[in-house]
Amino acid sequence: AQRVTQPEKLLSVFKGAPVELKCNYSYSGSPELFWYVQYSRQRLQLLLRHISRESIKGFTADLNKGETSFHLKKPFAQEEDSAMYYCALRPGGSYIPTFGRGTSLIVHP
Amino acid sequence: DTAVSQTPKYLVTQMGNDKSIKCEQNLGHDTMYWYKQDSKKFLKIMFSYNNKELIINETVPNRFSPKSPDKAHLNLHINSLELGDSAVYFCASSQGGAGGEQFFGPGTRLTVL
Repeated sequence: AQRVTQPEKLLSVFKGAPVELKCNYSYSGSPELFWYVQYSRQRLQLLLRHISRESIKGFTADLNKGETSFHLKKPFAQEEDSAMYYCALRPGGSYIPTFGRGTSLIVHP
Repeated sequence: DTAVSQTPKYLVTQMGNDKSIKCEQNLGHDTMYWYKQDSKKFLKIMFSYNNKELIINETVPNRFSPKSPDKAHLNLHINSLELGDSAVYFCASSQGGAGGEQFFGPGTRLTVL
């Protein structure tokens, strides 16, 4: 069975500092990987997915199959980035995603 | 024009009661889901349902049952509510196949007293 690990429950940085939210996965096949974000008292929404290879709100994530990681990065954090971030894996051919436990990012002014 | 909607937004009830949460999506998606988010923000999938199959997370008590009157709706019915059922419940939908992005509802905060 697949697993998604987000080792940090809480990440606290100051505005302008670089941010890296870690995500490691275990899955024997070719997964689809996603980052979802949940701002305070709002619904979860997709931030980005690995197949798009895009940058959203300054965030990027690269799939590293050798290290089985999909870390989320942003060079300069903003206060509005404060939110809960979830890494998710969807196995090929499956409807069922597996979510990590989430990392709470707090960006201080 | 909300893509995935849930009602009610808040639900406060007594232990032992039976309650339902409704979910509707207007995206034309073929798969819908229910998630439970606990007080530690851990997101746990409860059910996945499309017009072909229902997949149940085996850890979900059988007091919880999804009911789908049609492709656009997946309601969650809970019998004999317990204190531990207090959580935020999210409905989501996706289109099967490539992409797989999930669209979430706003959540229903259930409080069992």
